[in-house]
Amino acid sequence: DIVMTQSPDSLAVSLGERATINCKSSQSVLNSSNKRNYLAWYQQKPGQSPKLLIYWASTREFGVPDRFSGSGSGTDFTLTISSLQAEDVAVYYCQQYSGTPHTFGQGTKLEIK
Amino acid sequence: EVQLLESGGGLVQPGGSLRLSCAASGFTFSDYAMSWVRQAPGKGLEWVATLSGSGSGRGGSTSYADSVKGRFTISRDNSRNALFLHMNSLRAEDTAVYYCAKEGCTSTNCYINWWGQGTLVTVSS
Repeated sequence: DIVMTQSPDSLAVSLGERATINCKSSQSVLNSSNKRNYLAWYQQKPGQSPKLLIYWASTREFGVPDRFSGSGSGTDFTLTISSLQAEDVAVYYCQQYSGTPHTFGQGTKLEIK
Repeated sequence: EVQLLESGGGLVQPGGSLRLSCAASGFTFSDYAMSWVRQAPGKGLEWVATLSGSGSGRGGSTSYADSVKGRFTISRDNSRNALFLHMNSLRAEDTAVYYCAKEGCTSTNCYINWWGQGTLVTVSS
């Protein structure tokens, strides 16, 4: 199984500042034939279902604010929130869908400092 | 707009069975792979199973987490826009909110682009 490890487990950032969450996979999720990284990011606000933010490692889902961006390739990935807003308080998960099981990271809890 | 409405959760004894249902609307159901993902109380997300867009009855491919393989079965009825999760031999560690999830593709190797509100399954005596 591909193990997904996020860092840090929790993060406190001031409003308007940058937040960075890392995700590392135990093996590459890059498909050599189509050059796509099979990596998604989700946001789960308290009491809500998860919501897709980023797929193929860097493609922003329709309607997601452009302060959210994804980067990385192979085994190392990053979710960046360029200017933290109050509504961004949530737990963020990465997930690989390169192979089954489609494993999730343990989650990163983002709070306001 | 896409809507996924789960039902069938509840309290069940260890060793018991339960069938979860998910009513889908707002998209061409048969075109997309569908999944179940669960979240134990206060814990993270755990992928449970995925069924490809062609449907298991017509050779659609399925994938399961090792923790549920042989006990859970994912199925769909494209004529009713419905997804199911048949759960047998339930254990305390199966206690979780179960989310119905729509994938962004027909194949099973895809991201989830829509989540239901979830239904709580509690396994306890």
